[in-house]
Amino acid sequence: SQTIHQWPATLVQPVGSPLSLECTVEGTSNPNLYWYRQAAGRGLQLLFYSVGIGQISSEVPQNLSASRPQDRQFILSSKKLLLSDSGFYLCAWSTSWTVGANVLTFGAGSRLTVL
Amino acid sequence: EDKVVQSPLSLVVHEGDTVTLNCSYEVTNFRSLLWYKQEKKAPTFLFMLTSSGIEKKSGRLSSILDKKELFSILNITATQTGDSAIYLCAVEKGWDQGGSEKLVFGKGTKLTVNP
Repeated sequence: SQTIHQWPATLVQPVGSPLSLECTVEGTSNPNLYWYRQAAGRGLQLLFYSVGIGQISSEVPQNLSASRPQDRQFILSSKKLLLSDSGFYLCAWSTSWTVGANVLTFGAGSRLTVL
Repeated sequence: EDKVVQSPLSLVVHEGDTVTLNCSYEVTNFRSLLWYKQEKKAPTFLFMLTSSGIEKKSGRLSSILDKKELFSILNITATQTGDSAIYLCAVEKGWDQGGSEKLVFGKGTKLTVNP
């Protein structure tokens, strides 16, 4: 069966420090991978998605970046965190772009607090 | 701009009550509408709706889509404390040339069921 792992679960970082969140998927190949952010009182905001190794689409211009060095690995990074980067980050995957089949499976999330 | 609006944003009920959660949308190239339940961390998939007027049902939960009026409702009958969660509505958006692009999420409805 497919599983998705995301870490770290929580972290507290000072403003200006770097960030690296990692997500891996097991039990499937060539998944579509996504990074979402959920700020307090807001819905899920899509940050990045990837349909293959090295292929990254950015939804929102910001100081975050994403990389997909391997088929089932998706990394969210920042060189210098801002206070506004605080939030709950969710990695997700899906298997198909076909119509009506884009059902996402989410990881457990990473709660980031920037102080 | 694509929009998914959920109402109410929060709701407090007593066990045994029936609740109706609303989701309206304005999304170009609509493909499907999905409902997720988020308890503490990862949202979990509930329903996917693609056709108007066809009710999807799972136990005490049911959902229906109206593609003419651009909304969906999620009903929960005989609520239990375990139903307490954030319920997220998402609309699958397609590309102009076909295929699925991404999910656009609403802010969610926070449901609290008191004993």
